[in-house]
Amino acid sequence: DSGVTQTPKHLITATGQRVTLRCSPRSGDLSVYWYQQSLDQGLQFLIQYYNGEERAKGNILERFSAQQFPDLHSELNLSSLELGDSALYFCASSLGAESNYGYTFGSGTRLTVV
Amino acid sequence: DAKTTQPPSMDCAEGRAANLPCNHSTISGNEYVYWYRQIHSQGPQYIIHGLKNNETNEMASLIITEDRKSSTLILPHATLRDTAVYYCIVRALGLTDSWGKFQFGAGTQVVVTP
Repeated sequence: DSGVTQTPKHLITATGQRVTLRCSPRSGDLSVYWYQQSLDQGLQFLIQYYNGEERAKGNILERFSAQQFPDLHSELNLSSLELGDSALYFCASSLGAESNYGYTFGSGTRLTVV
Repeated sequence: DAKTTQPPSMDCAEGRAANLPCNHSTISGNEYVYWYRQIHSQGPQYIIHGLKNNETNEMASLIITEDRKSSTLILPHATLRDTAVYYCIVRALGLTDSWGKFQFGAGTQVVVTP
């Protein structure tokens, strides 16, 4: 158990729908990072939040959004889902805005869009 | 452009040392070398990182050449549980844009056999 909790572990939904993925960072960590891993793209950085504020953006689609709440948990919202959004979505956390010692990743949410 | 080059796959016998190479010929002076691994469909796991000195922890050793253009991750006594994709990543600290985040390439698929 890495200390980073992601729910749900599996999600199956239809095209056009909207889903919310949840991440609780490791205790004491202020940064949350979201990554997408699909078969053809590998692990792609999506977005980072630090202490409630957006810190950095990567390859995140406009249909996707995220936020970090005062209790530091984060949610990734995916809307107008397409078949190509099927992927593993990982959340990671770190103590500061940047981590010298790497990120701690959760076990992921597997999203299947049918 | 890829910052690191790794062999796509390698096999290792259980109990033997596994030496995983990584080329990073364009590494900058302020960039660290990080290693992560990902056991099938689990979240990536931080292994070790270094700037120019060799580093060792309970998981592995990192040997960085004097010119810093390549490095080797050493798993001293490989076990079946070490079967995973190993990612070598170069990254500068202190950057706030997306390139300051961990950018995962294709990695090396390591298979440890009995």
